[in-house]
Amino acid sequence: EVQLVESGGGLVKPGGSLRLSCAASGFTFSSSAMNWVRQVPGKGLEWVAIIGIGGGVTYYADSVKGRFTISRDDSKNMLYLQMLSLTDEDTAVYYCAKKKVGTSPFDNWGQGTLVTVSS
Amino acid sequence: EIVMTQSPGTLSVSPGERATLSCRASQSVSSNLAWYQQKPGQAPRLLIYGASTRATDIPARFSGSGSGTEFTLTISSLQSEDFAVYYCQQYHNWPPLTFGGGTKVE
Repeated sequence: EVQLVESGGGLVKPGGSLRLSCAASGFTFSSSAMNWVRQVPGKGLEWVAIIGIGGGVTYYADSVKGRFTISRDDSKNMLYLQMLSLTDEDTAVYYCAKKKVGTSPFDNWGQGTLVTVSS
Repeated sequence: EIVMTQSPGTLSVSPGERATLSCRASQSVSSNLAWYQQKPGQAPRLLIYGASTRATDIPARFSGSGSGTEFTLTISSLQSEDFAVYYCQQYHNWPPLTFGGGTKVE
C-alpha cells in the first residue's frame, strides 16, 4: 500500500523558515516524480513544486520560486520542502503527492501538514 | 499557463440523482485531464485520469468525458458518500500543473 506521511508543519513568524518532510513507502520511490501541492484552508489546490527522478530536475510555481527548495533522499525514501522568507500567503495545508514520470496525474497523496505563518 | 475553469461552483443534488460537472481549459490539454475528489479534512483522491479512465477502485458511477478544452465528470446516481468537492487538473503543459477552482456537490 502506498503511504505518504508529511511532517514538519507548524506556526512560524513572517520572514521565518520551515522544512517539511514526506516519508514514502509502498512503492519504488526512486522511480517516481514527487510534488508538493498546497491548499489554503477552505480554498482550492495550488501546485507548488516538482522534483524528477534522481533530483536533477526541479520546477516551481512562480509564487514560491526563489524561496522554496524541493529535494529528495532516495536512500531514505524522503521528500523535503525547505521554505524561506515565509509570508502569511504561504499559510496552507501542504500535501506531498506522487506522480509517475512523464504525462501523468497525481496518483497518491499524503494527508497533509498545516503551515501557519502569523506573528 | 493553462487556466482551468470549473462550473458550477456549487451543485445541489439529491441522492440518486445525476450530477454533471464541467471543466474548461484555456487551451487544449488533449486528454491529459484528471479529476479528484476531496472530502472535508481529507486529502484529494484521484478519480479519473486521461479524461475518461477511472482510477483504481473508483466505482463505475463515476465517468469522465471530453478532450481538448471541454471536459465533463458525471456521477450517474449520487450516493451519500459522493458529497464532496471535485477538482479538475491538467497535466498536459507544465510547469505549472494547474487545477480548476473546484465544484462543491452538496
